[in-house]
Amino acid sequence: ETGVTQSPTHLIKTRGQQVTLRCSSQSGHNTVSWYQQALGQGPQFIFQYYREEENGRGNFPPRFSGLQFPNYSSELNVNALELDDSALYLCASSLDAGTTYEQYFGPGTRLTVT
Amino acid sequence: AQSVTQLGSHVSVSEGALVLLRCNYSSSVPPYLFWYVQYPNQGLQLLLKYTSAATLVKGINGFEAEFKKSETSFHLTKPSAHMSDAAEYFCAVTGGSQGNLIFGKGTKLSVKP
Repeated sequence: ETGVTQSPTHLIKTRGQQVTLRCSSQSGHNTVSWYQQALGQGPQFIFQYYREEENGRGNFPPRFSGLQFPNYSSELNVNALELDDSALYLCASSLDAGTTYEQYFGPGTRLTVT
Repeated sequence: AQSVTQLGSHVSVSEGALVLLRCNYSSSVPPYLFWYVQYPNQGLQLLLKYTSAATLVKGINGFEAEFKKSETSFHLTKPSAHMSDAAEYFCAVTGGSQGNLIFGKGTKLSVKP
């Protein structure tokens, strides 16, 4: 069984640019959540996708957007990058949405904005 | 609103010594609580979770945690530290009905030989 995978591993972008990060969920999982982990901090919830629809959002501006595809893989898009967007972006998949379902995390994408 | 506070951003123990990592939570509803471990340049791995069953929860790698409602605590312990336990540990509580996690700031555990 393949776990959660993310691509790319590392990325360097310039302020003002746009970036797309990708996540493949674990087999059989229909829910994907995205988190931002700034250096020295715990992960912060960005949003969740459940069966291709956004199913909850944290305190992030609209320039953070996402998609979920019919195979339940997901993308995180960030427009107009700012220096503070530099972080490790983690995606987690779960069997279904809700508090009783364990989230399985991918290795993350390290984004550096210069 | 739900939140967690981890006391001590850095804990150092000797190999073989007791590991105690502290976590206090705030929740308006009965919480689901978690401990995750993060090794350098890796994602998060679930150590254990509390979901309102037994208050003493046993996890992987010899870790356990006890849910104490009166103290709003969920401290993580391991009787004997091993060098391979050196990592960052995060306590988390479920935030909303969709099951999103709210994490503490983390505690970095160092293990001295």
